Amino acid sequence: DQQVKQNSPSLSVQEGRISILNCDYTNSMFDYFLWYKKYPAEGPTFLISISSIKDKNEDGRFTVFLNKSAKHLSLHIVPSQPGDSAVYFCAASGETSGSRLTFGEGTQLTVNP
Amino acid sequence: EAGVVQSPRYKIIEKKQPVAFWCNPISGHNTLYWYRQNLGQGPELLIRYENEEAVDDSQLPKDRFSAERLKGVDSTLKIQPAELGDSAVYLCASRASGSYNEQFFGPGTRLTVL
Repeated sequence: DQQVKQNSPSLSVQEGRISILNCDYTNSMFDYFLWYKKYPAEGPTFLISISSIKDKNEDGRFTVFLNKSAKHLSLHIVPSQPGDSAVYFCAASGETSGSRLTFGEGTQLTVNP
Repeated sequence: EAGVVQSPRYKIIEKKQPVAFWCNPISGHNTLYWYRQNLGQGPELLIRYENEEAVDDSQLPKDRFSAERLKGVDSTLKIQPAELGDSAVYLCASRASGSYNEQFFGPGTRLTVL
């Protein structure tokens, strides 16, 4: 039962353009969502989060959008830089699951110079 | 501020052998997590500690896996005996009390069982 799904295993964009990474979830009890970035041989690094009471959160080049009715969130990176090339994981948590994070499978983003 | 420290970074063992992983969380972080990440998948929680108490171990295969966090600081995860399917990256994370749910991860231990 995959409660958090990232349907695109990979995404390739040109430097300076927008990267859009998508994530869908099925558990309506999730109320907090996070994006992590992971470089090879390193642990995931927290990037940005959003509470279910909001529909947008912005931090510099990174913006997360949440559509609760569609159970969908997306991460926008503008402008994309080669250093953004990494695996991006979407994660979710809810009050009933304590602070357990449920992760998606990840999307490999490649930003070409 | 030092991040989450894990050791060893890599471990190769033969099946049926025991193995142990160590984690030192960020100073002051009361909550500690062990996750397992299989190839091509996201991390999955094995166990969560609040101080020295295991409060969520529902996904820990207790027949062969054990964990401890005796003084509420560093933690050890053990597998005995290891099976081929245990090959994965084992990640430790920690979180400060009061923060909503931003968990900070260590670099992980890559386990290969032959």
